[in-house]
Amino acid sequence: SAVISQKPSRDICQRGTSLTIQCQVDSQVTMMFWYRQQPGQSLTLIATANQGSEATYESGFVIDKFPISRPNLTFSTLTVSNMSPEDSSIYLCSVEDQVGSGANVLTFGAGSRLTVL
Amino acid sequence: AQSVTQLGSHVSVSEGALVLLRCNYSSSVPPYLFWYVQYPNQGLQLLLKYTSAATLVKGINGFEAEFKKSETSFHLTKPSAHMSDAAEYFCAVSPSGGYQKVTFGTGTKLQVIP
Repeated sequence: SAVISQKPSRDICQRGTSLTIQCQVDSQVTMMFWYRQQPGQSLTLIATANQGSEATYESGFVIDKFPISRPNLTFSTLTVSNMSPEDSSIYLCSVEDQVGSGANVLTFGAGSRLTVL
Repeated sequence: AQSVTQLGSHVSVSEGALVLLRCNYSSSVPPYLFWYVQYPNQGLQLLLKYTSAATLVKGINGFEAEFKKSETSFHLTKPSAHMSDAAEYFCAVSPSGGYQKVTFGTGTKLQVIP
């Protein structure tokens, strides 16, 4: 299965600043996904990033707040803009990965834990 | 529309005891079902998946889950808990047929008591 590297692994940020998270995959993949995991909660899909087109955002997430780049088939970035304490979360990059036969499953990076003061 | 309900945000078991983590799903079409595990400071790792083949699915680390359509359940079990099983477990569902959006449950933290 794919191996995903995410950085930074964690960061402490000041209110009003922006932070870009990088996601590198060791193989070419069509679809990359960005999830948010707020403290004590489940994973929420932010957007789907496809190479060569704009990201598709889920309800409640907008491009101005979470701009995404997907310059090639192995790399993507997520920026969290104008951060507030409510943005303190773990942000996870994932890819659609084929594991045996049947459904494609998701492989995840280790996540980027952001704390906004 | 699809959803997943995990009963019990925290479960404690003694080392060597049975592990049972509950998951019920709702899906308007035949589902694919998954269990993921998240160890501290790590991403999610696939434990097992159901894709409409055998209803009893065996995964890694001795875990298994049984798909019960009549009960809309996909509970995760392990006969004997090990200290290393302490982690958070997420049940997830997606519609069958190619890649579809995956919906995750709220997770169950498993504590294993020595």
